[in-house]
Amino acid sequence: ETGVTQSPTHLIKTRGQQVTLRCSSQSGHNTVSWYQQALGQGPQFIFQYYREEENGRGNFPPRFSGLQFPNYSSELNVNALELDDSALYLCASSLGGQGTDTQYFGPGTRLTVL
Amino acid sequence: SQKIEQNSEALNIQEGKTATLTCNYTNYSPAYLQWYRQDPGRGPVFLLLIRENEKEKRKERLKVTFDTTLKQSLFHITASQPADSATYLCALDITLRLSFGAGTTVTVRA
Repeated sequence: ETGVTQSPTHLIKTRGQQVTLRCSSQSGHNTVSWYQQALGQGPQFIFQYYREEENGRGNFPPRFSGLQFPNYSSELNVNALELDDSALYLCASSLGGQGTDTQYFGPGTRLTVL
Repeated sequence: SQKIEQNSEALNIQEGKTATLTCNYTNYSPAYLQWYRQDPGRGPVFLLLIRENEKEKRKERLKVTFDTTLKQSLFHITASQPADSATYLCALDITLRLSFGAGTTVTVRA
């Protein structure tokens, strides 16, 4: 186990709603990255937070937003949910603020949008 | 645009045999490449990192090679066991972010 936790485990929402996913990073890690993984695909980078600042963003629209707190835990917020947002959302922590550091992943949150 | 391709077909092998997975990439020269293991419903777990100046890396029954001329990495699981059954992902540093392939699913039959 990596020590990275995510909540909730599963979530069902309807189109147009908003959702907040949470992540607690591994002890000692100051960087959190969020990924979206569709069925049968590899994880796609959403964005990264380093010491409470956004430190890079992938090809996702502004309705995907995030926060990192002083204890380095993080939230992913998605507004105006679409059917295509159904996926496994993974949080990964690392140390160093580099997007290419080894990632320690949590178990993920399975989001279903109906 | 950058493209990462892993074995398109799932791999089914007999226990004790060697599984060989490929990761090919185009239009980029990564400084290093990482391999992860993912079990169903779980997050990926880091296995190995190999740098561009390293030809080969080993960890227990795992071996990774990195050929920057061919733009290819090979991942070998030797003396495979049913517990090795999982999806294996390669990841490259592209524009300072990790980009993952779609993964190859390996099933080891007892």
